[in-house]
Amino acid sequence: KAGVTQTPRYLIKTRGQQVTLSCSPISGHRSVSWYQQTPGQGLQFLFEYFSETQRNKGNFPGRFSGRQFSNSRSEMNVSTLELGDSALYLCASSFGGPNTEAFFGQGTRLTVV
Amino acid sequence: GENVEQHPSTLSVQEGDSAVIKCTYSDSASNYFPWYKQELGKRPQLIIDIRSNVGEKKDQRIAVTLNKTAKHFSLHITETQPEDSAVYFCAASNPNDYKLSFGAGTTVTVRA
Repeated sequence: KAGVTQTPRYLIKTRGQQVTLSCSPISGHRSVSWYQQTPGQGLQFLFEYFSETQRNKGNFPGRFSGRQFSNSRSEMNVSTLELGDSALYLCASSFGGPNTEAFFGQGTRLTVV
Repeated sequence: GENVEQHPSTLSVQEGDSAVIKCTYSDSASNYFPWYKQELGKRPQLIIDIRSNVGEKKDQRIAVTLNKTAKHFSLHITETQPEDSAVYFCAASNPNDYKLSFGAGTTVTVRA
């Protein structure tokens, strides 16, 4: 059974650009969550999607957005990149019921220069 | 919203000794508490979890305890080995929020 796959693994972008990250969940999982991981802030919740609907959103500016497709794959977009957006972006998939185990992808390392 | 605090931030133990990491949470509606281990450069992986209807759970050298009244839960690793060196994250989940709220992490180093 394939795990959670995130692409690309590494990205270098310039301030002001935008970026799209992709996450393919484990087959059968309908929930995808996104987290930002930085050394100082740990893992911060960005948003969660289930069956193409956003069920929750974290405390991030509107430059951060996401969506989920009918095959449960998810994308997140960050517009007008800032230096502080440099981080490891992790997605996690689960079956989507309350308190079900979440499986993480290997993450996308975004560097903004 | 949920706030999870985790202590200590770093922990160094001699191989064979025990390690204990403690977390507190603020949302009394949270009822699922997973622990993740993240080795350097790798993805976080679930090592054990506990739900609020039980007070303790064990899996070989790892155990987790939960005190709902005090709103704290702990990870216990016995007979530590070098491969236990990693960053450990606790998390809490309110079933109505569809998210995990993480602690800041504990870097565990097992000295040979």
